Amino acid sequence: LAKTTQPISMDSYEGQEVNITCSHNNIATNDYITWYQQFPSQGPRFIIQGYKTKVTNEVASLFIPADRKSSTLSLPRVSLSDTAVYYCLQAGSYQLTFGKGTKLSVIP
Amino acid sequence: NAGVTQTPKFQVLKTGQSMTLQCAQDMNHEYMSWYRQDPGMGLRLIHYSVGAGITDQGEVPNGYNVSRSTTEDFPLRLLSAAPSQTSVYFCASSYSSPWTGGSDTQYFGPGTRLTVL
Repeated sequence: LAKTTQPISMDSYEGQEVNITCSHNNIATNDYITWYQQFPSQGPRFIIQGYKTKVTNEVASLFIPADRKSSTLSLPRVSLSDTAVYYCLQAGSYQLTFGKGTKLSVIP
Repeated sequence: NAGVTQTPKFQVLKTGQSMTLQCAQDMNHEYMSWYRQDPGMGLRLIHYSVGAGITDQGEVPNGYNVSRSTTEDFPLRLLSAAPSQTSVYFCASSYSSPWTGGSDTQYFGPGTRLTVL
């Protein structure tokens, strides 16, 4: 059974780059890694998805090493509005496992 | 597009009562799922559907029932509410499968906060 592990919380100052890492126990060949952002009283919202190496979009980058046993979400130059809970999701082969979430607090 | 909508936003039940949480999407998505979110536990999959008339169990299905008579709607029924079912419930939908190769993005509703006394 897949298990994803991520830090419970992180603090960062505005303008800094933030990296949140998730470890992926027992990742299967077909599994993709997806990261979601959640604000209080809202549903999770898609940020980025990848299979291996590096993926970049307008809001984040996702790094997945060759062994795929971890993934790192990178948020460039965070602002106060990036304060939220971030979830990694490992999905594939008819299993779907969310991490328990990392609460990111951005400090002015 | 309204996206994924859920009703009610809040609900308080007494132990043993039954109720239905409503979920609807207007994106013509085939795949729909129900999750529960508990403090420190992340999101856990309750039931899912791969299309109208087809449903299956997720990680934590006990005490819940689902049906999918139309593409748009995917209600979640609590048969006999228990305090352990106090949680925030999220419905999600996607165009294609979120758990096979080529995992598709899921769109989540705003959630229903349920308290069982």
